[in-house]
Amino acid sequence: NAGVTQTPKFQVLKTGQSMTLQCAQDMNHNSMYWYRQDPGMGLRLIYYSASEGTTDKGEVPNGYNVSRLNKREFSLRLESAAPSQTSVYFCASSVPTGVRSEKLFFGSGTQLSVL
Amino acid sequence: DQQVKQNSPSLSVQEGRISILNCDYTNSMFDYFLWYKKYPAEGPTFLISISSIKDKNEDGRFTVFLNKSAKHLSLHIVPSQPGDSAVYFCAAPMEYGNKLVFGAGTILRVKS
Repeated sequence: NAGVTQTPKFQVLKTGQSMTLQCAQDMNHNSMYWYRQDPGMGLRLIYYSASEGTTDKGEVPNGYNVSRLNKREFSLRLESAAPSQTSVYFCASSVPTGVRSEKLFFGSGTQLSVL
Repeated sequence: DQQVKQNSPSLSVQEGRISILNCDYTNSMFDYFLWYKKYPAEGPTFLISISSIKDKNEDGRFTVFLNKSAKHLSLHIVPSQPGDSAVYFCAAPMEYGNKLVFGAGTILRVKS
């Protein structure tokens, strides 16, 4: 059972280059998320998709775009990478556990360095 | 401005003793809290949660306590084991949706 799969695991970019981080889940979850983790900052939400065809900005969306290709896949694109985007990126999907609660399942992360 | 704060970056505990990880929040509208655990090179995994209608929730060696008047929650691990060494994140759903806002995390090291 794969859960949430992210590719690539590691990536080094030069400033100004573009790339797409891929994410797929096999748990038939409606909601998917992209977070970034930085030292001393915890995990911060970049973008969120409540269902296929919908996306919404999180806390730190600037410099990123997303595509919810279908129910399984949610990609994150950096159009012109900047050193400030050096981070560990996590994709997640979730299942409701109550009226206002969701249980998130995370992928193993992508370590991105922008030089 | 961080709405969920974990003010201790790290904690070191001897095996078999109690680990207490703390979390403070500023938004009084938060009514549900979660703890996630993260090992190196892996994604966070759900550990335990608590609703604001309770002041305690227990799951095996893990207990979360909620003090709403102080806007404070804590995670107790008893007894601590070396396999508990990880980063622990406190989180709460944002009031305008179910998206989680996370604290900065606390690195727990359990020494054998």
